[in-house]
Amino acid sequence: QKEVEQDPGPLSVPEGAIVSLNCTYSNSAFQYFMWYRQYSRKGPELLMYTYSSGNKEDGRFTAQVDKSSKYISLFIRDSQPSDSATYLCAMSATRNTGKLIFGQGTTLQVKP
Amino acid sequence: NAGVTQTPKFRILKIGQSMTLQCTQDMNHNYMYWYRQDPGMGLKLIYYSVGAGITDKGEVPNGYNVSRSTTEDFPLRLELAAPSQTSVYFCASSRQGSTDTQYFGPGTRLTVL
Repeated sequence: QKEVEQDPGPLSVPEGAIVSLNCTYSNSAFQYFMWYRQYSRKGPELLMYTYSSGNKEDGRFTAQVDKSSKYISLFIRDSQPSDSATYLCAMSATRNTGKLIFGQGTTLQVKP
Repeated sequence: NAGVTQTPKFRILKIGQSMTLQCTQDMNHNYMYWYRQDPGMGLKLIYYSVGAGITDKGEVPNGYNVSRSTTEDFPLRLELAAPSQTSVYFCASSRQGSTDTQYFGPGTRLTVL
C-alpha cells in the first residue's frame, strides 16, 4: 500500500463547477498537509498549506483535513479554465525535515 | 531574482553515459531537493540537503549522487545512465524544512536510450 493515494484522473468539469480533489494516507503521524498545483511542463507551486485537522480557505480554494479518516480534500469553487492543471497533495510528519511525501497527482481540466 | 534555475532543459543520454544536472537558487535557502517525476507517479525525492556540506538520501537515491559545496548550488550526478532513469527531474529549495514553501525549478527532461 502506498503511503499517499490520489486518484490520477483525469477529471473534466465545466467552467463554474465545484471541484473536489482528494487524497488518502496511511501514516497517522502526518500532521502537515499541502496542495501543490502544477501546470503542464512547469514545476509545481504551493497552493495551500494546512497544519493538523480542520479547514483553511483562500479565495476560491478550501483545504480540508480529516485526520480521523486519514483523508484530505481540496475544493475549488467557481472553477475556471485557468485552474486546468495537475494537483498534487503532499504531507509530512515533522516540520523541519527534508522529506515530503507526494501523491500521484490528479489532472483537472476545466472546459469553457 | 531568478528563483531556482536548472540546466539543461532537455537531454538524451545513451545507456552507460554520465551527466550532471545543474541547479542554482538565488534566494539564500538552506534546504534544497532533487525530485524525479515519472508519468502519473507524482514526485519522488532523490536527495536533499539541509545546508552546504550536508546531504541525505531520499526515497530513490540509487544511481545518483549529489554534492552541496555552496548554499546556491546543488548538482545531481547520474553515473552509468539506465533507461529506468528516463524521467523529468525537478530541483527545489525552501528556507527551512520540507513543510516550508518549496520553490521548484522548471525541470530537466532526460531520456536514456
